[in-house]
Amino acid sequence: NAGVTQTPKFRVLKTGQSMTLLCAQDMNHEYMYWYRQDPGMGLRLIHYSVGEGTTAKGEVPDGYNVSRLKKQNFLLGLESAAPSQTSVYFCASSYVRYGYTFGSGTRLTVV
Amino acid sequence: AQTVTQSQPEMSVQEAETVTLSCTYDTSESNYYLFWYKQPPSRQMILVIRQEAYKQQNATENRFSVNFQKAAKSFSLKISDSQLGDTAMYFCAFMYEGGGNKLTFGTGTQLKVEL
Repeated sequence: NAGVTQTPKFRVLKTGQSMTLLCAQDMNHEYMYWYRQDPGMGLRLIHYSVGEGTTAKGEVPDGYNVSRLKKQNFLLGLESAAPSQTSVYFCASSYVRYGYTFGSGTRLTVV
Repeated sequence: AQTVTQSQPEMSVQEAETVTLSCTYDTSESNYYLFWYKQPPSRQMILVIRQEAYKQQNATENRFSVNFQKAAKSFSLKISDSQLGDTAMYFCAFMYEGGGNKLTFGTGTQLKVEL
C-alpha cells in the first residue's frame, strides 16, 4: 500500500546514545515533516523539508538533525539522546496543501 | 505566529448522539486551510475533514461536518450518530499557504463514545 513508512516502531535508548529514525514515502511528495507528540501538547514540528536536499527548522529543533538526500526519504537523527526526548515521533509527507499522510509513529524512550 | 486552541481536553457522548468539538485559531494570514485529524488508540493519524478558508460552505464528510466561522476564527467539528469507533483523540490543525505548508496543531480533545 502506498503511504509513509517509519522505522523503527519502538526503541529504548540510554542517555547519550545516538540513533536515526527513517521515514520513507512512495507518493512522490515534495514536502516531508518530523513531529513529536507529547501528552497535553499536541504535535510539534521538529524539522521539515520542502524538497530533496533541503531542510528547515520547526518549532522544537534543538537536539535533532535531519537529512533529505533522496526525495522519498527523510531521516531524523538524535546525536546524544536525553530523557526529554522521550516521545512519540511522527513523520508525514504532503502534496502542497491537501493535508498530510502520516506514518504510524515511533515510540522512543530514553532512560 | 499561528496558534490553535482546543479548550476541551476530554469529552464523552452516548452512542448514536451528536457531539461538537471546539477549535479556535489565531492568524493574520488570509489564505489558509483547517483540518481535523483523528487519532485512535492505534496511534495512526487519520484525516477526518478539511476546510479551505476561502470557501464559505462548511465541509461535510458523511457523519462529520464543520462549523467554520471565519470572522470569529472558529472551526468546530460535529459528529452525528456517534459510534464506538469514533472514540479517539481529535486534533484541530491549521496550515497557511507558503512557509513550507506546515501544520500547526491544537492540544487535542479526547472523545469517548459510550454505550
